[in-house]
Amino acid sequence: AQSVTQLGSHVSVSEGALVLLRCNYSSSVPPYLFWYVQYPNQGLQLLLKYTTGATLVKGINGFEAEFKKSETSFHLTKPSAHMSDAAEYFCAVTPGTGGFKTIFGAGTRLFVKA
Amino acid sequence: NAGVMQNPRHLVRRRGQEARLRCSPMKGHSHVYWYRQLPEEGLKFMVYLQKENIIDESGMPKERFSAEFPKEGPSILRIQQVVRGDSAAYFCASSDGNQPQHFGDGTRLSIL
Repeated sequence: AQSVTQLGSHVSVSEGALVLLRCNYSSSVPPYLFWYVQYPNQGLQLLLKYTTGATLVKGINGFEAEFKKSETSFHLTKPSAHMSDAAEYFCAVTPGTGGFKTIFGAGTRLFVKA
Repeated sequence: NAGVMQNPRHLVRRRGQEARLRCSPMKGHSHVYWYRQLPEEGLKFMVYLQKENIIDESGMPKERFSAEFPKEGPSILRIQQVVRGDSAAYFCASSDGNQPQHFGDGTRLSIL
C-alpha cells in the first residue's frame, strides 16, 4: 500500500525567497515519485519525477526535489520564488515495480507575496 | 502534438440526469486513467482502462458510475442519476503504459 502526506495545505513566501514544499510517502516497494503543479481551472502539469538513479532531480521552472529514502521524503524546492509560481502543488507516488495506480497528496497551495 | 483532450470543460446537470464526460488520450497512448478532484482536495483514482478493457476500477463508486474505452473513439466516464455530491472536477490522464501520466484540463461538473 502507498500513501502520500503533504505537510502544510498552504505555504506563503515572498518573491525571491526560498520555496520549500514538503512531501512524505510510504510505500511497500521502491517508489516512483512525482511533483505536479496545477494552475486554476487547468489540469496537472508534471514538474519533475524520480524513478531510479540520481536522488536529486531537477525539473522545469527552476524546481528540484531530493529523494531521501531514509526519511521517506521527496521535498520540492526552488531557490527564488517568482509570482508566477503561485499555484497548487501535488506530490504523487506510484509503485516502481510497474504499477499504474498513482496516489496523490492533498496538495499544497503556494502563495507568493510581492 | 495534441495533449490529452477532455470535453466538455464545464458541464451542468440537474439532479437525476446523466453526465457523460469524454477523454481523448495523447497520440500513441492506449492507457487511460480517470480521477476525481473535490474542492480543496487532491486527486482520487477512479478507474484505469486499456483499449476495450477495464484494468482496475477499485476507485469507482459501486453504483451509477461506469467507464469505457472503446476500440475507436474517446474514453467515456458516465454518471447516471447525478446527485449534488457528484459535483467535482474530473480529470483524465493517459500514458503509453509507463510513467508519467499526462493530464487533460478536466471537466468541471456542476449539479443543480
